[in-house]
Amino acid sequence: DVKVTQSSRYLVKRTGEKVFLECVQDMDHENMFWYRQDPGLGLRLIYFSYDVKMKEKGDIPEGYSVSREKKERFSLILESASTNQTSMYLCAISPGTDSYNEQFFGPGTRLTVL
Amino acid sequence: AQKVTQAQTEISVVEKEDVTLDCVYETRDTTYYLFWYKQPPSGELVFLIRRNSFDEQNEISGRYSWNFQKSTSSFNFTITASQVVDSAVYFCAPSEARGYQKVTFGIGTKLQVIP
Repeated sequence: DVKVTQSSRYLVKRTGEKVFLECVQDMDHENMFWYRQDPGLGLRLIYFSYDVKMKEKGDIPEGYSVSREKKERFSLILESASTNQTSMYLCAISPGTDSYNEQFFGPGTRLTVL
Repeated sequence: AQKVTQAQTEISVVEKEDVTLDCVYETRDTTYYLFWYKQPPSGELVFLIRRNSFDEQNEISGRYSWNFQKSTSSFNFTITASQVVDSAVYFCAPSEARGYQKVTFGIGTKLQVIP
């Protein structure tokens, strides 16, 4: 079974704090993705990575950065959290470069910024 | 860029009824892929099916069936004899065929199956 784990299920932070969301996979897949999910907006891609140290901006990268130092781990960083970053954050992985491949998702981290 | 419209935001059906979830997409690509994902109340999205733009053959898998019509840019999903366990949010997601799997998710259709 594919395993995608996210460091926290629920997280509460204060405005201005630096926040790290971690995603770890055990499948040796090349691609890793960070999405945020908001009611009425569906899933929106923040960043993705197709290899170690490689990253690409998604549709809404503002206010976020990412790090991928090892193949199995992809971190999402909120440099200075704001209340409009309160959301559900989902990590996903997929193999190879073929767009035909499905994505496998983690359980999500519900972040609340006060 | 691709767009996807799931016009039904919420649907309620009584158990054993059939239900169809609609998906209309826009793309300028000639080659692309289409996915459906399911998100149960537990929160974890699960892949259900994919189609490539060359394969308009519709499929039935148990109680699930999919109707892909390229001419109308639709990729609808039907559950026959719905069950309470089908209660979830369902996402339609077209994907570009080039590049690194840039998938565009719809806003989702929340299905509630009432016992």
